[in-house]
Amino acid sequence: GQQVMQIPQYQHVQEGEDFTTYCNSSTTLSNIQWYKQRPGGHPVFLIQLVKSGEVKKQKRLTFQFGEAKKNSSLHITATQTTDVGTYFCAGQNQAGTALIFGKGTTLSVSS
Amino acid sequence: ETGVTQSPTHLIKTRGQQVTLRCSSQSGHNTVSWYQQALGQGPQFIFQYYREEENGRGNFPPRFSGLQFPNYSSELNVNALELDDSALYLCASSLVDGGETQYFGPGTRLLVL
Repeated sequence: GQQVMQIPQYQHVQEGEDFTTYCNSSTTLSNIQWYKQRPGGHPVFLIQLVKSGEVKKQKRLTFQFGEAKKNSSLHITATQTTDVGTYFCAGQNQAGTALIFGKGTTLSVSS
Repeated sequence: ETGVTQSPTHLIKTRGQQVTLRCSSQSGHNTVSWYQQALGQGPQFIFQYYREEENGRGNFPPRFSGLQFPNYSSELNVNALELDDSALYLCASSLVDGGETQYFGPGTRLLVL
């Protein structure tokens, strides 16, 4: 079945360092979505990418969708302690009814 | 906040019991999806309801069932609870059946003893 894989599973950085998480799908995606989940919280929508090669920025966060629409990345510049949490990518399933989530990358930041 | 609400927030049940979880979708959203998130994992799709009909189902057994009401609120029912059903259950509402952003509620944490 369709799978979405994310690496790394965990990442610890010093405040001010950069962070990147990578997402790969076993199938071509119509779109990819990114969510952030704080400890004890629920997934919160960050962004959706639809076009091949699309790049979107939200302040210190940069999201990319690969040319083949099978991979994506999230890059955070100059991390802050508020960036702590687990970042999930999610691709739409073939029927367009469900999001298939990766296992997430958990980011910890020390000051 | 997304406007998606879930109840109860926490629940403890014993193996073999039945449970009903509830979700009120964001105003104007006609599609509700349910996900199960085990500790340390990403959310796993259970099923989706669109205009009161099941519109897609993940790899979950029939003892997981659901309903959607005319006001688009939804219920998730789980029969014959097993220890592995302990998880965070999330509902997410969206405007159309697929292809649109899903907005998650705060979830119900279920513990099965």
